[in-house]
Amino acid sequence: QVQLQQSGPGLVKPSQTLSLTCAISGDSVSSNSAAWNWIRQSPSRGLEWLGRTYYRSKWYNDYAVSVKSRITVSPDTSRNQFSLQLNSLTPEDTAVYYCARGAGRLDYWGQGTLVTVSS
Amino acid sequence: DIQMTQSPSSLSASVGDRVTITCRASQGINNYLNWYQQKPGKAPKLLIYGAFNLQSGVPSRFSGSRSGTDFTLTISSLQPEDLATYYCQQSDSIPWTFGQGTKVKIK
Repeated sequence: QVQLQQSGPGLVKPSQTLSLTCAISGDSVSSNSAAWNWIRQSPSRGLEWLGRTYYRSKWYNDYAVSVKSRITVSPDTSRNQFSLQLNSLTPEDTAVYYCARGAGRLDYWGQGTLVTVSS
Repeated sequence: DIQMTQSPSSLSASVGDRVTITCRASQGINNYLNWYQQKPGKAPKLLIYGAFNLQSGVPSRFSGSRSGTDFTLTISSLQPEDLATYYCQQSDSIPWTFGQGTKVKIK
């Protein structure tokens, strides 16, 4: 059974960087068939896919245009986890952030982290 | 980006009713359409993938269909535990995009 466990702060100041981690059990971040995603949800923007990392003989990333200049999604193979970094935060980045497994359909999700951007 | 338009935004139905939710894609996405159920305070849960395929463990009262760029989620006999918001998501091309959601209430 695949499980994704998220960790990271719930409160971040404007202009700072958000760092979240998603620890994987029951699968490998280096899987040749999976992809590892970050999605956020807010009342104003709904569910918004942010980016992903995946391994197909080498590492690849894809990012949403809306955050492309500010986001990094990266694997940590030694700890079997992946992370999200989102910099230059504004209050509009306030949302519940989820990690999820899927190369198309998103079949396993983390528990979600409410991130509030406020001074 | 592919836009996903869901309707209705909310509905109220009685236990045992047949419920349908529609999602329209702004362009062709083949069968790359997935449906999720989200209960308050929880992460979305995959119900249907590839437009028609029931995810393991999901009750058979849930089903999916397609007509062109219109996709439908049907609950054949609504149960009290189906109180939730339902979302469609296209996985034809990056960026993955979601519908705005349909909130299902029990009368």
